[in-house]
Amino acid sequence: KQEVTQIPAALSVPEGENLVLNCSFTDSAIYNLQWFRQDPGKGLTSLLLIQSSQREQTSGRLNASLDKSSGRSTLYIAASQPGDSATYLCAWETSGSRLTFGEGTQLTVNP
Amino acid sequence: EPEVTQTPSHQVTQMGQEVILRCVPISNHLYFYWYRQILGQKVEFLVSFYNNEISEKSEIFDDQFSVERPDGSNFTLKIRSTKLEDSAMYFCASSRPPGSNQPQHFGDGTRLSIL
Repeated sequence: KQEVTQIPAALSVPEGENLVLNCSFTDSAIYNLQWFRQDPGKGLTSLLLIQSSQREQTSGRLNASLDKSSGRSTLYIAASQPGDSATYLCAWETSGSRLTFGEGTQLTVNP
Repeated sequence: EPEVTQTPSHQVTQMGQEVILRCVPISNHLYFYWYRQILGQKVEFLVSFYNNEISEKSEIFDDQFSVERPDGSNFTLKIRSTKLEDSAMYFCASSRPPGSNQPQHFGDGTRLSIL
């Protein structure tokens, strides 16, 4: 059974700092990895999707990497801003349909 | 940009009653999903749906649950005989074919409160 772990559970940083969120998984038979953002009481906003054949994806200040051999993905956020404060979730698509989610990292960027 | 829309945003129901949660997926998507998130816990997969039938379901999705695409635009989740532990946020998602490079797009969710 696929297990997804995210570290740290919570992170508080000053504005402008670069930061890395970590996600690890137990089953290397994946199709895609998605990173999401969730604001309090809201739905999930897809940030980046990495296919299993890819190593990384970039969108603006966000960069996500994938290392299947070690069972890890990282989300790098450059020059963090208070508006980046949210919970960040990673999710693996393994069976070609379902997404298996981690518990998330709650990020607070302080002005 | 097209969105997945869910109604209602909040549903309060007495235990034992039936509820129907509604979703309008993105119009050119053919794969539909329901997930739930109990307060303070992970987002959990419930069911995926394609071509008018369930393609995959989790162990959570028992006989209490059913899904339907009653017309060309709506996708519904019915929960019969609700229990206190059904209280959660329920998210609908849609996508193009899974296993491709297309992400699943999520709605804002329905908060279901069982009293």
